[in-house]
Amino acid sequence: AQRVTQPEKLLSVFKGAPVELKCNYSYSGSPELFWYVQYSRQRLQLLLRHISRESIKGFTADLNKGETSFHLKKPFAQEEDSAMYYCALGTDSWGKLQFGAGTQVVVTP
Amino acid sequence: EAQVTQNPRYLITVTGKKLTVTCSQNMNHEYMSWYRQDPGLGLRQIYYSMNVEVTDKGDVPEGYKVSRKEKRNFPLILESPSPNQTSLYFCASSLKGARGYTFGSGTRLTVV
Repeated sequence: AQRVTQPEKLLSVFKGAPVELKCNYSYSGSPELFWYVQYSRQRLQLLLRHISRESIKGFTADLNKGETSFHLKKPFAQEEDSAMYYCALGTDSWGKLQFGAGTQVVVTP
Repeated sequence: EAQVTQNPRYLITVTGKKLTVTCSQNMNHEYMSWYRQDPGLGLRQIYYSMNVEVTDKGDVPEGYKVSRKEKRNFPLILESPSPNQTSLYFCASSLKGARGYTFGSGTRLTVV
């Protein structure tokens, strides 16, 4: 069965420090991985998708199929990065998208 | 403006009283989905739809119904709500399956 694991519920970092959010997945097929962000009291927004290999707001994520991971990284955290981050796994082309439990990031000055 | 619109934003109801949460998108997306968000559990998919009249169960479909009679609308129906359905609900739509869902603003439902 497919599963998405985000081991950290809360990540507290200082402004300017690097931040890494861990995401591991379990799926026997070919996965599509995403990172979504939810700022306080706002809707979820797509941040990154592995297929596009882009960098958004300074964040990057690399799919490591060997380790079944899709960790999110940013070299220098900013206060506006404080939010809830969700890793998500798409397992077919039919719209089924499974989320992890989320990691709350708090960036302190 | 391209968007997913949910109504109502907030709803308090009593156990057993049928309710419908509406969802509409103006992007001509084929795929639509409903999620519930609970603390510590993240988002869990309730139902999703691949096109008009084509729907399938997500991970937590019990107690919910959906319909997709028109491409733009995907209402979520709770025939007999119970307190364990108190949650924050999100509707989402996508042009291509699980790729890049656009989410609505959410509906906070309280069942007493």
